[in-house]
Amino acid sequence: DAGITQSPRHKVTETGTPVTLRCHQTENHRYMYWYRQDPGHGLRLIHYSYGVKDTDKGEVSDGYSVSRSKTEDFLLTLESATSSQTSVYFCATRQPQGAAETQYFGPGTRLLVL
Amino acid sequence: AQKVTQAQTEISVVEKEDVTLDCVYETRDTTYYLFWYKQPPSGELVFLIRRNSFDEQNEISGRYSWNFQKSTSSFNFTITASQVVDSAVYFCALSEENTGNQFYFGTGTSLTVIP
Repeated sequence: DAGITQSPRHKVTETGTPVTLRCHQTENHRYMYWYRQDPGHGLRLIHYSYGVKDTDKGEVSDGYSVSRSKTEDFLLTLESATSSQTSVYFCATRQPQGAAETQYFGPGTRLLVL
Repeated sequence: AQKVTQAQTEISVVEKEDVTLDCVYETRDTTYYLFWYKQPPSGELVFLIRRNSFDEQNEISGRYSWNFQKSTSSFNFTITASQVVDSAVYFCALSEENTGNQFYFGTGTSLTVIP
């Protein structure tokens, strides 16, 4: 398993406040991903990164931004949290060898927006 | 359009029964990969298996087996003699050669094994 940690693991925040979630990996994987998991929707891609400073949007990117200044860190920012962003957020990493490569997931962050 | 469909939202079986989780995918690529992940109640996502589009041979790993059929675009997962520890949400996913950066996940099947 890739060494992937997420911080914080749990967070409660208020509507309108900015929130940053951190994903840290020790495997030197080039690709990193942020997903959200909600009942009935499975895992939905928010943003992903294919290298330092190289990012792209996923299917549910509105209200989120990301940054990748180092290979090992991928930050997800909720610019102004809303209750609809209450979710479990997963980070994943992957080797850049193409479609065959497996994604490995972090432990998840539970976010509650009041 | 959903690229991966897991039509079974929830399944309950009694311990020791066999259970099959369905996964139907959609792709125009000739080269693609299919994956299964398990998410136990503790919440982590655990990789189970990867299959490529050129290998339709079924795979067995202990009580787990996978049936890949290109003719029906399905990659079904069977648990034989289910156990309580198999209770989890199971996700099927697709990765395409032409869009290799992304995974497409199904919405998951929640399996409950009743003792």
